[in-house]
Amino acid sequence: NAGVTQTPKFRVLKTGQSMTLLCAQDMNHEYMYWYRQDPGMGLRLIHYSVGEGTTAKGEVPDGYNVSRLKKQNFLLGLESAAPSQTSVYFCASSYFAGVGETQYFGPGTRLLVL
Amino acid sequence: AQKVTQAQTEISVVEKEDVTLDCVYETRDTTYYLFWYKQPPSGELVFLIRRNSFDEQNEISGRYSWNFQKSTSSFNFTITASQVVDSAVYFCALTRQLTFGSGTQLTVLP
Repeated sequence: NAGVTQTPKFRVLKTGQSMTLLCAQDMNHEYMYWYRQDPGMGLRLIHYSVGEGTTAKGEVPDGYNVSRLKKQNFLLGLESAAPSQTSVYFCASSYFAGVGETQYFGPGTRLLVL
Repeated sequence: AQKVTQAQTEISVVEKEDVTLDCVYETRDTTYYLFWYKQPPSGELVFLIRRNSFDEQNEISGRYSWNFQKSTSSFNFTITASQVVDSAVYFCALTRQLTFGSGTQLTVLP
């Protein structure tokens, strides 16, 4: 039982390049989330998914797209990377999105955009 | 809108000292949950505790304890007899969508 895994762990991009971050969970969770963590700002929600085939915007969705083609996977895409997207990206999942449901996080992906 | 404030950006203590991390929140929801997560230097986020808005009993887990006071909208976290391994960034968070505070960097010196 690996929990939540993220690929890659670290990536360097040049401005304008594209990339996809992969999140996978093996806990049969319905809900999945993408956050970014910036110094002094805690975590902010980018996009989330309430089930296979669904996605929704979070607090800071601009510049990102997501897809949830399979229940266990949640992909975060950057079509044209910008230096402002340099951050640590965390994926999380939860069984459902009830008010008190606990989210479990992956190890993070560190992205540097030059 | 929800808001979580962790006013202490950094705290340093000497091993075996007790330390309290403050968390103040704002929400219009009558039902809500509060969380604490730990982020050690390795970077992962570790779930510590969840508390719902109807349960104001303090909770103790080993050296960790949490004080939830609805009247002051606070959910403070105390580590008793701190250890070097407690050094980490600690985040307080609030539902519905998980809103995080900016975190408190705790350094425990030997």
